[in-house]
Amino acid sequence: KNEVEQSPQNLTAQEGEFITINCSYSVGISALHWLQQHPGGGIVSLFMLSSGKKKHGRLIATINIQEKHSSLHITASHPRDSAVYICAVPQARHAGGTSYGKLTFGQGTILTVHP
Amino acid sequence: EAGVTQFPSHSVIEKGQTVTLRCDPISGHDNLYWYRRVMGKEIKFLLHFVKESKQDESGMPNNRFLAERTGGTYSTLKVQPAELEDSGVYFCASSQVQLGTQYFGPGTRLTVL
Repeated sequence: KNEVEQSPQNLTAQEGEFITINCSYSVGISALHWLQQHPGGGIVSLFMLSSGKKKHGRLIATINIQEKHSSLHITASHPRDSAVYICAVPQARHAGGTSYGKLTFGQGTILTVHP
Repeated sequence: EAGVTQFPSHSVIEKGQTVTLRCDPISGHDNLYWYRRVMGKEIKFLLHFVKESKQDESGMPNNRFLAERTGGTYSTLKVQPAELEDSGVYFCASSQVQLGTQYFGPGTRLTVL
């Protein structure tokens, strides 16, 4: 079982629909990242959040630290939202006060929004 | 402000050859990470530099991979000799502080024939 699990793996929607992508993790974290990768493109960081909710345009990310679960919502979806959405968690290790942020990634959710 | 850049964007080599990938982080970012995505799998961590020092190289697959970050600026990842299973997309990311937002480069797509 992966430490970071996303669902669904594939998601198809019609333009205008409300979309939810879920991420569950099994390791203790300080924050969670949501990333976006367009076909043939690089990775863009959408959100980094450690509690509650963050909103940027039509994107909303929520996290429940106790339940180890995060969701990414897209309101009024558009074909240009079609991409792979990836959640990732940093694994903090403390050794004499030092921590680092190497990321463990989910497998990604392939979103296709049709006009 | 320039983002993270990677060179080349695409490399096709034959098995047994050597390839060197380069990453230029955002200026002032001490933390530099290398990740890799092989076909059909999730992105995996390779290693982490803090300035010129290797903080963690637990993700490096084997001794055919050598990463350097001379002077704490740009980093190179050399694969020698390349094998078929090394094919994938290699991403570099940088952050100002550990556990901070990581900014990703566009990736280098490596194809080993």
